[in-house]
Amino acid sequence: QSALTQPASVSGSPGQSITISCTGTSSDVGAYNYVSWYQEHPGKAPKLMIYEVSNRPSGVSNRFSGSKSGNTASLTISGLQAEDEADYYCCSYTRSTTYVFGTGTKVTVL
Amino acid sequence: QVQLQESGPGLVKPSQTLSLTCTVSGGSISSGGDYWSWIRQHPGKGLEWIGYIHYRGTTYYNPSLKSLVTISVDTSKNQFSLKLSSVTAADTAVYYCARFAITAAMAFDIWGQGTMVTVSS
Repeated sequence: QSALTQPASVSGSPGQSITISCTGTSSDVGAYNYVSWYQEHPGKAPKLMIYEVSNRPSGVSNRFSGSKSGNTASLTISGLQAEDEADYYCCSYTRSTTYVFGTGTKVTVL
Repeated sequence: QVQLQESGPGLVKPSQTLSLTCTVSGGSISSGGDYWSWIRQHPGKGLEWIGYIHYRGTTYYNPSLKSLVTISVDTSKNQFSLKLSSVTAADTAVYYCARFAITAAMAFDIWGQGTMVTVSS
């Protein structure tokens, strides 16, 4: 199974909105609404930010939102803040009853 | 709240078996329908799902690792374990254990801090 495709890097200024894409296939992202997103700060464990495409766990800022269209899922961060600078990974359930992560995106706050 | 902690050797010789244990605290590994997972991250790289186990013993593995991986559970100790056989330098990575909340989120909602394992002679 191939990793889901994400842009290597995305940047934005404080207060701006950015969107990270996550492209898969009809066997993973396109097949189910089981896409999740994780934030990873250096040296820290990943943190769940979005589950089932667009749901936020308790405690996650409403500046984070998720969506999906066809084989591509997206994570949008609005009102970008310095603390949002991190790596972000998407993850999808697949028709093979396995899980595949994205290649990862480094978000830089300018 | 539920917390996870990985433990095991930080250095493994090539061709040997990597063995790690994840201890679950603040909750029972036997409650609910959650699955207990292993995920790794090669240095400077992305995340790779290794597999997961239900407390009743049902397992699912990444096909690319399936022949080398065994995940087991010990409900009496509230632990689950990973064994990866015939390791090579390519297995050097940070290994995370995580809870897959199959009923609440269909996502890996709680993670351990991770443990670095280096494969070297």
